[in-house]
Amino acid sequence: EVQLVESGGGLVQPGGSLKLSCSASGFTFNRFWMHWVRQAPGQGLVWVSHINGDGSTTNYADSVKGRFTISRDNAKNTLYLQINGLTAEDTSVYYCTRDLIYWGQGTLLTVSS
Amino acid sequence: DIQMTQSPSSLSASVGDRVTITCRASQGIRDDLGWYQQKPGQAPRRLIYGASSLQSGVPSRFSGSGFGTEFTLTISSLQPEDFATYYCLQHNTSPLTFGGGTKVEIK
Repeated sequence: EVQLVESGGGLVQPGGSLKLSCSASGFTFNRFWMHWVRQAPGQGLVWVSHINGDGSTTNYADSVKGRFTISRDNAKNTLYLQINGLTAEDTSVYYCTRDLIYWGQGTLLTVSS
Repeated sequence: DIQMTQSPSSLSASVGDRVTITCRASQGIRDDLGWYQQKPGQAPRRLIYGASSLQSGVPSRFSGSGFGTEFTLTISSLQPEDFATYYCLQHNTSPLTFGGGTKVEIK
């Protein structure tokens, strides 16, 4: 059974940094594209970034380019999202998803002073 | 970037009604489109892939159609468990983009 478990969210001050993690199990992790999608409270879904199986190809939404970095550790079956220069607009539930079919339950990041 | 314009943004319908939701892409995306259902407090669930293929386990009352720039999700007979928000997503070109969502409410 495919399982994705996000972690690392919480309350962070504006200007801070955070690294989200997504632990994967139930499939051969290095064979699949992985994505991050976020959703601000009461708002719609926003695609953030994706990375291919060996980590050599990444893409980002324009709104996060330069501040977010997606990465993966295939030995640990873990996906990451490094977020720098946090602003209130980054407050969202962050989901990781395997090829946009299987989704974790999300981790809430709140940016506030 | 490809913009996905979804309509309506909300609708009220009764159990048994036929419901249609539309997504329009700002440029052609072939059939590189999926439809998702999301209920409050839950992660999204993919219903349709390739614009018209039904995801395994999804009831057959859901169907999708379209190619290029115009896409439709149809629920043939709305059931109580279908009240949710629906999103389209294009994956033809990066950055991937979602439609704004359609909230289906009980009339």
